[in-house]
Amino acid sequence: GQNIDQPTEMTATEGAIVQINCTYQTSGFNGLFWYQQHAGEAPTFLSYNVLDGLEEKGRCSSFLSRSKGYSYLLLKELQMKDSASYLCAVRDRDYQLIWGAGTKLIIKP
Amino acid sequence: NAGVTQTPKFRVLKTGQSMTLLCAQDMNHEYMYWYRQDPGMGLRLIHYSVGEGTTAKGEVPDGYNVSRLNKREFSLRLESAAPSQTSVYFCASSYLEGSGIQYFGAGTRLSVL
Repeated sequence: GQNIDQPTEMTATEGAIVQINCTYQTSGFNGLFWYQQHAGEAPTFLSYNVLDGLEEKGRCSSFLSRSKGYSYLLLKELQMKDSASYLCAVRDRDYQLIWGAGTKLIIKP
Repeated sequence: NAGVTQTPKFRVLKTGQSMTLLCAQDMNHEYMYWYRQDPGMGLRLIHYSVGEGTTAKGEVPDGYNVSRLNKREFSLRLESAAPSQTSVYFCASSYLEGSGIQYFGAGTRLSVL
């Protein structure tokens, strides 16, 4: 079967750094995607990795290790507006997205 | 640009009633998708469309019918709603086939009593 695991909830402090992990077991791999979803709103695309390594975009970075079936999303200089759920999704061999249940990130002042 | 627009935003149905959820995108995307999102679970693909007049089944298609009305619009119909269909429904679109970068509507919150 196909499986994507993320922590259910994490708490971090405003101004700090947080790392949200995602592990996956899927039938094939054609990229890993991170989305942000504020409560009651639509998911919005953040970042993606196809090759191993780190992709950086502003305060957001995403890392991928295909051999370990592992990715993380790193958020720096946390702001209150970063309180949201972060969804990890893997594109499988059929180019379908398989979604994790999401990690709810709570930012405290 | 409005992006992806879904109607209605909220709906309460009784078991056995029918309804149609509507989705429209103004980004000239070929590919459109219907997902459901339930607590503690990832988004699950119901049906998708790779172009006008074409549709295909996703992971959880039972109990749902779809229609790609034209390039802009993609509808999802529940013919006889069941409590198990209580969920938040999202429509999404993408420019490329199989793209992991999808643009989502604001969602429809449906309760079936």
